[in-house]
Amino acid sequence: EVQLVESGGGLVQPGGSLRLSCAASGFTFSAYSMNWVRQAPGRGLEWVSYISSSSSSIYYADSVKGRFTISRDNAKNSLYLQFNSLRDEDTAVYYCARDQGGYSPRNFDYWGQGTLVTVSS
Amino acid sequence: DIQMTQSPSSVSASVGDRVTITCRASQGISSWLAWYQQKPGKAPKLLIYAASSLQSGVPSRFSGSGSGTDFTLTISSLQPEDFATYYCQQANSFPVTFGGGTKVEIK
Repeated sequence: EVQLVESGGGLVQPGGSLRLSCAASGFTFSAYSMNWVRQAPGRGLEWVSYISSSSSSIYYADSVKGRFTISRDNAKNSLYLQFNSLRDEDTAVYYCARDQGGYSPRNFDYWGQGTLVTVSS
Repeated sequence: DIQMTQSPSSVSASVGDRVTITCRASQGISSWLAWYQQKPGKAPKLLIYAASSLQSGVPSRFSGSGSGTDFTLTISSLQPEDFATYYCQQANSFPVTFGGGTKVEIK
């Protein structure tokens, strides 16, 4: 069974830093690209970042470019998102999501349960 | 960036009704479109990819159609477990973008 479990969320002050983790199991993690998607309270979905299976390709939404860093450790079956210079508008539930890949890239076929990041003083 | 516009933003329907949700892309995306269902407090669930391909395990009452800029998600006979919010998403290029969502509510 495919499982994605996020951790590391919490309350952080504006301008602060935080790192989220996503532990993957039930599939060959190193064969799949991965993504982070967020959802502000009561709002819609916003894609945040993408990393290819080998980390050779990385993309970010303009809203987080230069402040967030996506990375992965295939030996540990783990995905990460490092936040710097956090803003109030970064408050959201952050989901890690597996890229379906193959002939259907950029579709997200499995999602974690999400972890809440609250940016507030 | 490609903008995705969904309509309506909400719809009230009864069990057994046929429900159609539309999604328009600001530029052509061929068939690179997915649909997701999200229930309160839960992660989204992939329903349809490549505009019309049903994700494994998704009931056949869900169907998708369209290409280019105009797409539809149809629920042929609404079931109690289908009351949720639905999002379209373009998979044509980065940055990936989602529609604003359509909430399907009980009439």
